[in-house]
Amino acid sequence: GQNIDQPTEMTATEGAIVQINCTYQTSGFNGLFWYQQHAGEAPTFLSYNVLDGLEEKGRFSSFLSRSKGYSYLLLKELQMKDSASYLCAVRATTSGTYKYIFGTGTRLKVLA
Amino acid sequence: GAVVSQHPSWVICKSGTSVKIECRSLDFQATTMFWYRQFPKQSLMLMATSNEGSKATYEQGVEKDKFLINHASLTLSTLTVTSAHPEDSSFYICSARTQGQKYTEAFFGQGTRLTVV
Repeated sequence: GQNIDQPTEMTATEGAIVQINCTYQTSGFNGLFWYQQHAGEAPTFLSYNVLDGLEEKGRFSSFLSRSKGYSYLLLKELQMKDSASYLCAVRATTSGTYKYIFGTGTRLKVLA
Repeated sequence: GAVVSQHPSWVICKSGTSVKIECRSLDFQATTMFWYRQFPKQSLMLMATSNEGSKATYEQGVEKDKFLINHASLTLSTLTVTSAHPEDSSFYICSARTQGQKYTEAFFGQGTRLTVV
């Protein structure tokens, strides 16, 4: 089966750095995605990792270790608008079809 | 990035009626569309995966006769909640992806908030 775990909530201060971890156990792994979701809105794509290592995109970086089933999203220079839920999603192939399976999501609160 | 449009954004219906939600890919061909349901403060739960021109594949525990999915074209998929009940009230979100290397991620519609009274 598929299992994806993230912390439920995190709190950080404006200007700080925060790391949101995600561990997964899945068959047919074909990439890991991070999405940001504000309350009542649809998720928006942040990053994608399919190979081990770090992908950097401005204030956001994402890391993947396939052997450990582990990823993290790093947010630097936190801003108030970064308060949102961050969803870790694994893309898995089953019988030739892709599925995107989401973790429980981490609600991040950024405090002034 | 690609654009996925979902309609309506919100709908209120009476218990026992049916509601149809549309999901359109506006500037790309969506070979696969996904339907998710999200309850308050919870993550997205995959309901079903549909490929254009074929029957949808439903996740375990999702009633295929209650949640009818049609993916008749490369730009449109619909989800019909039949005989809706208050417990079906939720946020329904579609996402779409295309084959090939241009876009690897799935793109999401705006979501539909369904309230059954």
